[in-house]
Amino acid sequence: DTGVSQDPRHKITKRGQNVTFRCDPISEHNRLYWYRQTLGQGPEFLTYFQNEAQLEKSRLLSDRFSAERPKGSFSTLEIQRTEQGDSAMYLCASSLAASGPDQPQHFGDGTRLSIL
Amino acid sequence: AQSVSQHNHHVILSEAASLELGCNYSYGGTVNLFWYVQYPGQHLQLLLKYFSGDPLVKGIKGFEAEFIKSKFSFNLRKPSVQWSDTAEYFCAVNLYNFNKFYFGSGTKLNVKP
Repeated sequence: DTGVSQDPRHKITKRGQNVTFRCDPISEHNRLYWYRQTLGQGPEFLTYFQNEAQLEKSRLLSDRFSAERPKGSFSTLEIQRTEQGDSAMYLCASSLAASGPDQPQHFGDGTRLSIL
Repeated sequence: AQSVSQHNHHVILSEAASLELGCNYSYGGTVNLFWYVQYPGQHLQLLLKYFSGDPLVKGIKGFEAEFIKSKFSFNLRKPSVQWSDTAEYFCAVNLYNFNKFYFGSGTKLNVKP
């Protein structure tokens, strides 16, 4: 189990720039989630994929945010025209779909985004 | 809207003290419940989970949690904490058959040696 890998670990950018983060899930996991976590809060759900299909998006995910998982393996999260409020830790998690109750997720270390 | 409440934001204990962290959720349907732990500098890790059956579930490192449906609660307990339990603990709820997870705001536990 190599775990969930996220890249980069830290990203500092100026307001208005675009940023892209990558997540590599555990290889056999078909579900992939993106979360955002701000200081003093728990992870907030952003979006979720099953294989390559994006099945759900949170209202938190404005039109500046887009996520893809083109081949059902790694995923990217892009933020366009970044704003100060986008500063946060962006977490990726993966799980293996199974019949019955959902399976717990395995989290990556996150990408910390700082907007100057 | 569904929500998860963790009322203790910061808990400080001495080693060997008993621990109970509260978690309440607001959803009337069937839920799956989780506790995650985040040790300093590490990623979130699953501590224990409840899907069905015995409402008292045991997890790793001597932790346990009790699901009380009538109280919409899933409190985490440990009889005797250790310094190595210093971490942030998150309660999470998954609505059965929906693939969204709701997390509480976390409780920071500081165990003094």
